[in-house]
Amino acid sequence: EPEVTQTPSHQVTQMGQEVILRCVPISNHLYFYWYRQILGQKVEFLVSFYNNEISEKSEIFDDQFSVERPDGSNFTLKIRSTKLEDSAMYFCASRSVQTDTLNTEAFFGQGTRLTVV
Amino acid sequence: KNQVEQSPQSLIILEGKNCTLQCNYTVSPFSNLRWYKQDTGRGPVSLTIMTFSENTKSNGRYTATLDADTKQSSLHITASQLSDSASYICVVNSGGYNKLIFGAGTRLAVHP
Repeated sequence: EPEVTQTPSHQVTQMGQEVILRCVPISNHLYFYWYRQILGQKVEFLVSFYNNEISEKSEIFDDQFSVERPDGSNFTLKIRSTKLEDSAMYFCASRSVQTDTLNTEAFFGQGTRLTVV
Repeated sequence: KNQVEQSPQSLIILEGKNCTLQCNYTVSPFSNLRWYKQDTGRGPVSLTIMTFSENTKSNGRYTATLDADTKQSSLHITASQLSDSASYICVVNSGGYNKLIFGAGTRLAVHP
């Protein structure tokens, strides 16, 4: 069964360092998302990406964050200068293009746990 | 303010027993409501999705209900198994995938 895969599963980084979280979406999917979940809190939307550009982003997604699809298969989230409060589980999700866009399913990856020390 | 509230926060049941998880929402506009299962350290996996006009939907031992008038949903698990131990998250779609409003989840533990 196709699935969204994320690497690494756990990343520990020092405050101020740059990190890149990687995602391989399901191959025929065209919409991509990043969400995060701070320990003990709700899942929060970060950004959506379609047709090689950001379609929407939340307040959390400030200038320290960026996304790209460098090679047509990977979808990456970069945090330029990590802060302690960036520590969270980061989930990538993807979905296909359907006419009934609101009710198509998004598939989530298993997440990358980012720990900033 | 768009909110999704779930209860109980956590629940322990014995294997083979049934349980019901609750979700109340104040989200507008409303597109659909989804229940996800999230195993520890894993991403959410969809169980059911219901639109405004649907009252109930089943997926194996999982049955979700939706009352759009009272803005309440429930997830009923029948004949629980140890593998049902997970967090169950209620998510309301308010008009697009960037507008998913997540509940905090109910952490279910099934004991032998």
